[in-house]
Amino acid sequence: DTAVSQTPKYLVTQMGNDKSIKCEQNLGHDTMYWYKQDSKKFLKIMFSYNNKELIINETVPNRFSPKSPDKAHLNLHINSLELGDSAVYFCASSQDRGTPGGRRETQYFGPGTRLLVL
Amino acid sequence: AQTVTQSQPEMSVQEAETVTLSCTYDTSESDYYLFWYKQPPSRQMILVIRQEAYKQQNATENRFSVNFQKAAKSFSLKISDSQLGDAAMYFCAYKGNFGNEKLTFGTGTRLTIIP
Repeated sequence: DTAVSQTPKYLVTQMGNDKSIKCEQNLGHDTMYWYKQDSKKFLKIMFSYNNKELIINETVPNRFSPKSPDKAHLNLHINSLELGDSAVYFCASSQDRGTPGGRRETQYFGPGTRLLVL
Repeated sequence: AQTVTQSQPEMSVQEAETVTLSCTYDTSESDYYLFWYKQPPSRQMILVIRQEAYKQQNATENRFSVNFQKAAKSFSLKISDSQLGDAAMYFCAYKGNFGNEKLTFGTGTRLTIIP
């Protein structure tokens, strides 16, 4: 059974288009993340949600908008795609150990979505 | 801000031999987590091993072990009896505690296994 899944796995689109990437986890975790891996393989956090609440929002263009309809899903919508948005986007999830400020531990990653903007 | 440094962009090792990948980090926190993730050509990010900073004992997972030196802020990964399936990019990552949940990654080390 897939723990963290992403759709689609590949996405090829034209500059200026709007696209979405979906992420679902069946681990019962309550915290989810989006990371971007650039062409040099560098991984950087973009967003994080805990129980549908945005808790991390790094310096990301506002063309990127995450949406969490419930704690098992975290989608990423990208408006007006640019060439520089080409990358692999990873979703991840982890478990909050309980109380606010409690320990959130190992993050489990989805298979990644390779986005190519032409 | 925390930083993670992997000074070896590429490493190679003969099959069945042992290799050590280096990682150093910078933080002012006393409680945190460190991880090694593996990314094979399939691009899946796979957790290899993790270490809690408050634990003095080095973590081990089968052929994988770490040398965690908290004072030196060093976290190296040792792979024993290297296998062809170990070929991958290896990323060292840091996660703080208490409201600092994001993973900060190093730039990765590409490991090649020589048959």
